[in-house]
Amino acid sequence: NAGVTQTPKFQVLKTGQSMTLQCAQDMNHNSMYWYRQDPGMGLRLIYYSASEGTTDKGEVPNGYNVSRLNKREFSLRLESAAPSQTSVYFCASSDGAGRSRETQYFGPGTRLLVL
Amino acid sequence: KQEVTQIPAALSVPEGENLVLNCSFTDSAIYNLQWFRQDPGKGLTSLLLIQSSQREQTSGRLNASLDKSSGRSTLYIAASQPGDSATYLCAVGDDYKLSFGAGTTVTVRA
Repeated sequence: NAGVTQTPKFQVLKTGQSMTLQCAQDMNHNSMYWYRQDPGMGLRLIYYSASEGTTDKGEVPNGYNVSRLNKREFSLRLESAAPSQTSVYFCASSDGAGRSRETQYFGPGTRLLVL
Repeated sequence: KQEVTQIPAALSVPEGENLVLNCSFTDSAIYNLQWFRQDPGKGLTSLLLIQSSQREQTSGRLNASLDKSSGRSTLYIAASQPGDSATYLCAVGDDYKLSFGAGTTVTVRA
């Protein structure tokens, strides 16, 4: 049982380049989330998906887009990367209908460096 | 906007000492509070989840308390071991999202 997987583990981009971060879960969870973690700060929610076919903005959505491809997969896209998007990105999933009442399970993270 | 604070940012204790980690939040209208552990370069692992109607939750050497009215939670780790060295984050659940503190980095010295 792999849980939540993320690819790639590490990526270096130049300013203006685009990329997609991939996330998949095998726990049949309804809800999925994208967070970013910056030094000295807590995790901040970028986007979430309460169920297949729905997505909603979190606290810091600017510069990002998401796609809930199916129940298992939730991708995060940076259309034009900026140095301010240098961060560690975590994907998470939980059972239930997108409310924070259930335990969230996290992937190992993607470390992104934008030069 | 919910603000979650964890003080201190770092803590170093000798093996065997009990650990006390603090978390405070500004808005008491929460659904739950969760404690997570994060090892260097890794994702987060859920330790305990306390629903808003509960006062505490226990798992092995871990005990977490919740006082909604004062906006505080405390995580106790009994008889600390070097393997407990990690960053501990608390997160407050309000409706659809979790609001995280910045974490307390714990070092347990052998």
